[in-house]
Amino acid sequence: GAVVSQHPSRVICKSGTSVKIECRSLDFQATTMFWYRQFPKKSLMLMATSNEGSKATYEQGVEKDKFLINHASLTLSTLTVTSAHPEDSSFYICSATGTIGQFFGPGTRLTVL
Amino acid sequence: SQQGEEDPQALSIQEGENATMNCSYKTSINNLQWYRQNSGRGLVHLILIRSNEREKHSGRLRVTLDTSKKSSSLLITASRAADTASYFCATESGNTPLVFGKGTRLSVIA
Repeated sequence: GAVVSQHPSRVICKSGTSVKIECRSLDFQATTMFWYRQFPKKSLMLMATSNEGSKATYEQGVEKDKFLINHASLTLSTLTVTSAHPEDSSFYICSATGTIGQFFGPGTRLTVL
Repeated sequence: SQQGEEDPQALSIQEGENATMNCSYKTSINNLQWYRQNSGRGLVHLILIRSNEREKHSGRLRVTLDTSKKSSSLLITASRAADTASYFCATESGNTPLVFGKGTRLSVIA
């Protein structure tokens, strides 16, 4: 099956720093990538949708200036959490969609101290 | 916004018993998918059922879909301790991203 990777898988950072998370589709071209956030024992909540070469569309309540998304190529999207705070600590999951369907990455655990 | 609603939110059963989880949704869908997630891990796709299908099987999994009631069920037969995980339904409508339900936390006690 199709593979989506995320890097890093786990990151711990200090409050106020920025963290970049990469999402790659390894064996297919992803015209659209989605970023989800999952708090402990909760479900996945869609944060934003990004299409290659255009600006991301953010869900209501998600600050676009805090969660910067770049989808520069058909195989790579990045999510940058700027000026991270402890309340941003969460599990971030990306998903890539192409002609063959939608596939999820393994997730990135962000802990902000 | 959340569309799928699973029930129960948590389920605890003995190994060997069957586990049934339900999911309800609100709008028309193209398909409904079930995912499994072990604690702190990524999602594992289990099964997809299309809107024109009523039942689907995969190993010990049985999924039903009732579009008139906008509901689906996931049955895991002869459960094992390794089935302990959270299970989510997710609906797909048109070209929109998957919308996930709140999930059911299943505990299978050996």
